[in-house]
Amino acid sequence: EAGVAQSPRYKIIEKRQSVAFWCNPISGHATLYWYQQILGQGPKLLIQFQNNGVVDDSQLPKDRFSAERLKGVDSTLKIQPAKLEDSAVYLCASSYTLGGVNEQFFGPGTRLTVL
Amino acid sequence: DQQVKQNSPSLSVQEGRISILNCDYTNSMFDYFLWYKKYPAEGPTFLISISSIKDKNEDGRFTVFLNKSAKHLSLHIVPSQPGDSAVYFCAASAIQGAQKLVFGQGTRLTINP
Repeated sequence: EAGVAQSPRYKIIEKRQSVAFWCNPISGHATLYWYQQILGQGPKLLIQFQNNGVVDDSQLPKDRFSAERLKGVDSTLKIQPAKLEDSAVYLCASSYTLGGVNEQFFGPGTRLTVL
Repeated sequence: DQQVKQNSPSLSVQEGRISILNCDYTNSMFDYFLWYKKYPAEGPTFLISISSIKDKNEDGRFTVFLNKSAKHLSLHIVPSQPGDSAVYFCAASAIQGAQKLVFGQGTRLTINP
């Protein structure tokens, strides 16, 4: 079974530029998550989708971050404009269902460096 | 407000001995707890979990203990092996509602030969 795919793996941009990350979850997984992991910290949930609807985006900085999950499969996370403090690893995860607690499967992440 | 805390940034253990990783939480609504393991340049992978109705869950060399009154859980690895060297994250969730995971800061475990 293929795992969660993410691209690109690494990205370096200058502040005020825009960047987008892509995620393809495990086939059949209805729930998709985007996490931000700053160096030395644990992953922090940014947004959670159930199919193509948003379940939780309470910690998403909506003035600069946006995310979508078209057709309930792939997802993109965008930052516009980027700030220095956005430097982090952006992790995508998926799980089978929303109800109950299911193991979340993580992708390898995209390491973003903002100069 | 750090709801899940792992107060030891790093831990070094000799191969074959027991590794004990600790985690504390503050939110009494948490009722499901997970441990994830992370190697460099990879995403976290699920290791073991425990529901609040239990106080122990065992899977091979890995055992998780939950002390609800103290809001404390620990992961025991015995015997420790070199391949166990990784960063370990504790995570907590409330089963009711969305499956939002709140992670601790992580503990880097190094197993020495």
